[in-house]
Amino acid sequence: QKEVEQNSGPLSVPEGAIASLNCTYSDRGSQSFFWYRQYSGKSPELIMFIYSNGDKEDGRFTAQLNKASQYVSLLIRDSQPSDSATYLCAVLRLRGYQKVTFGTGTKLQVIP
Amino acid sequence: DAGVTQSPTHLIKTRGQQVTLRCSPKSGHDTVSWYQQALGQGPQFIFQYYEEEERQRGNFPDRFSGHQFPNYSSELNVNALLLGDSALYLCASIGQGSEMGYTFGSGTRLTVV
Repeated sequence: QKEVEQNSGPLSVPEGAIASLNCTYSDRGSQSFFWYRQYSGKSPELIMFIYSNGDKEDGRFTAQLNKASQYVSLLIRDSQPSDSATYLCAVLRLRGYQKVTFGTGTKLQVIP
Repeated sequence: DAGVTQSPTHLIKTRGQQVTLRCSPKSGHDTVSWYQQALGQGPQFIFQYYEEEERQRGNFPDRFSGHQFPNYSSELNVNALLLGDSALYLCASIGQGSEMGYTFGSGTRLTVV
């Protein structure tokens, strides 16, 4: 079982729609959860982090965390073509050192 | 406030050669991790340095080695390069106790021919 799992996609949504990206993790001791956006050929850029159960909103982005289900998601409202990128889910566990594990990413395509 | 800086940005090496990649962490960060990202894949953890010591290592052979200096900057060395080592190498830094995740550098694109 992979530590962090994401559907590789591509996920295609029309412009203006809500894009829903999902991630599951296996380590119940995980403490913080991150969403990174990565444009082709570029390095990952942190867009959201969450560490408490529930929702966290930042502009058009909402991160949702359910620790009981070991599930974290990212919603992008009013999707724009500029949102087209690969979205990486990452999970942090503190076990004397900071261990951050990434999923393989979900490719999002926003169709104009 | 400078973020994470990496050098060089691009590099072409011949199979069998050795390469050194460099990273300066974000100001205030003392922990550096290196990741390898092959095309279409998520970043794969190579190792992490803190207090000039390697304290965690991923599933990479001994050809991959590193170093951290007293100013927290770090180097990644790869010996006996293979074609399969061609990838984007990412350096990421984090501060102690930070729950905000890593800050990534822009990466070094290594091509082995």
